[in-house]
Amino acid sequence: QLQLQESGPGLVKPSETLSLTCTVSGGSISSSSYYWGWIRQPPGKGLEWIGSIYYSGSTYYNPSLKSRVTISVDTSKNQFSLKLSSVTAADTAVYYCARHLSGDYVLGWFDPWGQGTLVTVSS
Amino acid sequence: SSELTQDPAVSVALGQTVRITCQGDSLRSYYASWYQQKPGQAPVLVIYGKNNRPSGIPDRFSGSSSGNTASLTITGAQAEDEADYYCNSRDSSGNPQVVFGGGTKLTVL
Repeated sequence: QLQLQESGPGLVKPSETLSLTCTVSGGSISSSSYYWGWIRQPPGKGLEWIGSIYYSGSTYYNPSLKSRVTISVDTSKNQFSLKLSSVTAADTAVYYCARHLSGDYVLGWFDPWGQGTLVTVSS
Repeated sequence: SSELTQDPAVSVALGQTVRITCQGDSLRSYYASWYQQKPGQAPVLVIYGKNNRPSGIPDRFSGSSSGNTASLTITGAQAEDEADYYCNSRDSSGNPQVVFGGGTKLTVL
């Protein structure tokens, strides 16, 4: 059974870079047809897609975050990572990683999701 | 357009049928997916594609679409269905990107 687990610091200072890693177990991150995505959820608010990556390194990003986001993949470790630069309090959220499946078109649905990790931006 | 609109809250009597809707221009071109999220938990996929349920999702959950509106229907709502529900789809403008609806809080009375 495929499982995803987020890891990284729970507290980041304003203006610094948020860095998270998602470890995939029970399956290969190099499987074709799958992208791997990051989604976040500010406390008490809705879901926001951050971006998704293919094992080859091909990426899609949310235009509203694109200037600050880098998503990378390490197939040897079965991991993919998120870096979000110049963070502010508005970036405080639970960050989820998820497998991003495609149907007749790329970027379809997310399944399964990691448990999520809360990242707080505060000095 | 890069927006999906959901009603903030919906209620249903135990055992009755409820429909949760999601509106957006992208839904004329792409299917909506639906996620259930209970407090303190990660979202769980309940419907994807035209009307597909992942393994383990009860058959009381179904999806449909017409024009710019996608719907998630729960036939015979149970107490455990009380949760937040989110839709998402591909955006139909410009480069490929993903959008989520704002979520609907379902209360089972």
